[in-house]
Amino acid sequence: EAGVTQFPSHSVIEKGQTVTLRCDPISGHDNLYWYRRVMGKEIKFLLHFVKESKQDESGMPNNRFLAERTGGTYSTLKVQPAELEDSGVYFCASSSKRFGEGNNEQFFGPGTRLTVL
Amino acid sequence: GQNIDQPTEMTATEGAIVQINCTYQTSGFNGLFWYQQHAGEAPTFLSYNVLDGLEEKGRFSSFLSRSKGYSYLLLKELQMKDSASYLCAVRDVDSNYQLIWGAGTKLIIKP
Repeated sequence: EAGVTQFPSHSVIEKGQTVTLRCDPISGHDNLYWYRRVMGKEIKFLLHFVKESKQDESGMPNNRFLAERTGGTYSTLKVQPAELEDSGVYFCASSSKRFGEGNNEQFFGPGTRLTVL
Repeated sequence: GQNIDQPTEMTATEGAIVQINCTYQTSGFNGLFWYQQHAGEAPTFLSYNVLDGLEEKGRFSSFLSRSKGYSYLLLKELQMKDSASYLCAVRDVDSNYQLIWGAGTKLIIKP
């Protein structure tokens, strides 16, 4: 079974540019999460999809961030325009269980390291 | 407020035992997770506790005391490959069941 994949692995862009990150969850996993980790700090929740619907987007920093999951399969996270403080590692995770259900182990992708110059 | 604390870094010797502590303050505790993350890789699930007590899984065990807001991860018979960051995360009802993460404990294993 293929794991969670993310593309690209690294992205270096200039302030003001646009970047789109992609996540392919494990096939059949309805729950898809986006997280961000700024260097030296804890992982922070951004967004949670259940199938194609946004279940919780309370962690999205501002309206420069847009996440989509058309068709309930892969997801994209677009940052437009990017700012210096957007730098960090963006992780995607997926889970087959409902988000509040027992041990809803999340399977993480390797992350996309975004550097905004 | 919501807060997860764990030591920044620990060092242990190959073959020994190490205990990584995690204390938390959340308004709606609904389970505690431990993840392992090797440098540059994805976090991987280690354990889940929702009731008080010890959960054992091979060389790794995790303990929870809800009344104390405290958990630990116990690693036995340490191997060099156990060098990694260990992340404590609490699922919080009052945060829409999302995970609140600690900053992680970097564990260094020496021969």
